[in-house]
Amino acid sequence: QKEVEQDPGPLSVPEGAIVSLNCTYSNSAFQYFMWYRQYSRKGPELLMYTYSSGNKEDGRFTAQVDKSSKYISLFIRDSQPSDSATYLCAILTNAGKSTFGDGTTLTVKP
Amino acid sequence: DTEVTQTPKHLVMGMTNKKSLKCEQHMGHRAMYWYKQKAKKPPELMFVYSYEKLSINESVPSRFSPECPNSSLLNLHLHALQPEDSALYLCASSQEGGTNEKLFFGSGTQLSVL
Repeated sequence: QKEVEQDPGPLSVPEGAIVSLNCTYSNSAFQYFMWYRQYSRKGPELLMYTYSSGNKEDGRFTAQVDKSSKYISLFIRDSQPSDSATYLCAILTNAGKSTFGDGTTLTVKP
Repeated sequence: DTEVTQTPKHLVMGMTNKKSLKCEQHMGHRAMYWYKQKAKKPPELMFVYSYEKLSINESVPSRFSPECPNSSLLNLHLHALQPEDSALYLCASSQEGGTNEKLFFGSGTQLSVL
């Protein structure tokens, strides 16, 4: 079983839509959860870092963690064409290594 | 300076060549990483250096040889690569690694092995 599984894409939405990106993880002992954004031909960029259940907000982005369901989500409000990228969830394993989901490619159409 | 700089951006090499990838950061981070990323796949961890010592080696073939000359620099030496090694090679750094592993990535080196 994979340690983290991400909803496959691709996802295409109109500008201004609310986007929901989702992952599940296998081990209830994992405590640290990240979302990275990767533009084409660039390295991933850390968007959100959380270590507890509940919501964390940063501008138009909200990261949600539900430890009882082992489910993590990233919500993007008022999506913009500049949000078009691949989004990777990641968990920090007990060995102290970041393990990534397969990524969801998002296209926001003007 | 919050950048991780990788050189070269693109590299084409034959299977008998020897080349090196270079990575530099000036954020005072003490953990540095090499990842390999194939198209439409997530990054896969290859090596981790923590305080200039190799702490994680993910059973990478010996044709890849990492080196950490100092806390700001990380190299990846390549020798006798195979065409299946063609990928984007990403360098990353973090403050200390472990539970504080917020990764800062460079833009990568796109490697093609002919």
